[in-house]
Amino acid sequence: GAGVSQSPSNKVTEKGKDVELRCDPISGHTALYWYRQSLGQGLEFLIYFQGNSAPDKSGLPSDRFSAERTGGSVSTLTIQRTQQEDSAVYLCASSLSQGINQPQHFGDGTRLSIL
Amino acid sequence: QKEVEQNSGPLSVPEGAIASLNCTYSDRGSQSFFWYRQYSGKSPELIMSIYSNGDKEDGRFTAQLNKASQYVSLLIRDSQPSDSATYLCAARSAGGGNKLTFGTGTQLKVEL
Repeated sequence: GAGVSQSPSNKVTEKGKDVELRCDPISGHTALYWYRQSLGQGLEFLIYFQGNSAPDKSGLPSDRFSAERTGGSVSTLTIQRTQQEDSAVYLCASSLSQGINQPQHFGDGTRLSIL
Repeated sequence: QKEVEQNSGPLSVPEGAIASLNCTYSDRGSQSFFWYRQYSGKSPELIMSIYSNGDKEDGRFTAQLNKASQYVSLLIRDSQPSDSATYLCAARSAGGGNKLTFGTGTQLKVEL
């Protein structure tokens, strides 16, 4: 596809359930990032992948959050035992490489609502 | 203390005027800076990037960087109602991995 694709676009689930969010980066982009944006907050970094490796997981809020990337392409972010504070828009971005000047291009996000 | 600071606004300017959006950052190791535009309910869209001190122009947009003052700005000339959005400033440092650190954004309203 032309841009970063994320699915689902919206997810509503009950507290305590597990959710899986998917990101398909721009073709050929080796670097992939997950952020989340809560109401009234700035974008908060979660995790960064270079290829299938995650050199920086420092933003994951707790051990309920995990992510993986396979084939250097699609990534999934999994939240286990969801809590209401997990409600946010989860944004995925990709860049051509990990160079510091490389811009990151965002997908449309997954709006997660925990009831 | 937030690492990237922006005035939340709203900043209101009349159509055709120059809109000036400002951003300060605390990490002196920050080396590259990005401005994103975000319409309500949409994802951030890259507008400008700047890495060196001075001005960088692209169409109606000019980004300005002053590393000594730790200050980045975005000027929008001939503002249009379609420019009404939230503008996010982001910084990236070599020592901070590859993550972008974002400000909370400035809401711009261009009025007819």
